[in-house]
Amino acid sequence: AQTVTQSQPEMSVQEAETVTLSCTYDTSESNYYLFWYKQPPSRQMILVIRQEAYKQQNATENRFSVNFQKAAKSFSLKISDSQLGDTAMYFCVLGSGGSNYKLTFGKGTLLTVNP
Amino acid sequence: DAGITQSPRHKVTETGTPVTLRCHQTENHRYMYWYRQDPGHGLRLIHYSYGVKDTDKGEVSDGYSVSRSKTEDFLLTLESATSSQTSVYFCAISDDILDGYTFGSGTRLTVV
Repeated sequence: AQTVTQSQPEMSVQEAETVTLSCTYDTSESNYYLFWYKQPPSRQMILVIRQEAYKQQNATENRFSVNFQKAAKSFSLKISDSQLGDTAMYFCVLGSGGSNYKLTFGKGTLLTVNP
Repeated sequence: DAGITQSPRHKVTETGTPVTLRCHQTENHRYMYWYRQDPGHGLRLIHYSYGVKDTDKGEVSDGYSVSRSKTEDFLLTLESATSSQTSVYFCAISDDILDGYTFGSGTRLTVV
């Protein structure tokens, strides 16, 4: 069974500051993928960033980057230069190609960016 | 996302009535999923499909059934709705795990 743990139910950050959201996971698969999804108040689920487990290099997408520590099974998300539009629920997600592409979601971290 | 639509967007129904939610995709993706989202639980998998007429249960499948008679449509049915099934339901599609999922806009279902 796969599990994803997000230990921070809520976080807040000032506009233009940097914030890091934590995530740990567990899986017996050797070929897996990790994602961060964002859900703003509109309810739409938006893919923020993805990481393939076999790649050692940490993924980066503009202001969003991850710190992938495979041995520790840790996958944190760093948001730089936080903007008001970053206010959302953030989900850490684990998937593997060998399980009909099923994704396992963490319970989410509600991030509020304050002006 | 334009490639996947859910209907209805909102629904209020009474306990004991049957309810069907529809997911329609225009992407010709093989995999389709139904999740429910509840506060404190994240998204939990109800059922999924890996092809026409090929479906399987997820972690919270009790009280739900699904059907997929065409590639583009995946139906979720609550045979006899209960208050515990009040939730937001998301449909998702995928064709490559590397791309993750594309989600529908969700259906907010209230069972009174």
